[in-house]
Amino acid sequence: LAKTTQPISMDSYEGQEVNITCSHNNIATNDYITWYQQFPSQGPRFIIQGYKTKVTNEVASLFIPADRKSSTLSLPRVSLSDTAVYYCLVGVLNNAGNMLTFGGGTRLMVKP
Amino acid sequence: DAGITQSPRHKVTETGTPVTLRCHQTENHRYMYWYRQDPGHGLRLIHYSYGVKDTDKGEVSDGYSVSRSKTEDFLLTLESATSSQTSVYFCATFEGEQYFGPGTRLTVT
Repeated sequence: LAKTTQPISMDSYEGQEVNITCSHNNIATNDYITWYQQFPSQGPRFIIQGYKTKVTNEVASLFIPADRKSSTLSLPRVSLSDTAVYYCLVGVLNNAGNMLTFGGGTRLMVKP
Repeated sequence: DAGITQSPRHKVTETGTPVTLRCHQTENHRYMYWYRQDPGHGLRLIHYSYGVKDTDKGEVSDGYSVSRSKTEDFLLTLESATSSQTSVYFCATFEGEQYFGPGTRLTVT
């Protein structure tokens, strides 16, 4: 399983764009990159997933360079409610015995 | 949210007692997981299942056992609870993405 490295914490202000970068130097050919968000006292929830280039949904964008050794989650115009822990995961989808390993995540604090 | 429920949601137990946590899902997902979450450690995989009666160990499986007799239920058992097993336990399923339950807060005194 590819190991991921993320910043432990980040601070931002309401209305700003936040970019959280994840390093995954030993990502395998079949691995996808997935980001999850976790609020206090709740389980993580899926934000976005991608394999290469750029993926965008109603919540965030995911930028993946050509070498796929890193990825950047971009949250546009954050609000106080985006304060949460964000996890970057790398793994193979729909593989028997698939285990998605969560690292420590990035604790984002959005200030007014 | 894949209709995942966990029971109990909170439990306090004494060292040495057996404890069983239940995870129930309504979406017929094949894969199910048990994680524990402790401050500074993110989520760590305890056991997972890839079908009825098919289970395997995760990275922190010592002291835990699991059973899956039906697709919808995945049980986590602490045979003899210890204080180091005080944690928040999350169940999850997988179908393209992981879906997590609300968590069970277990305190072992």
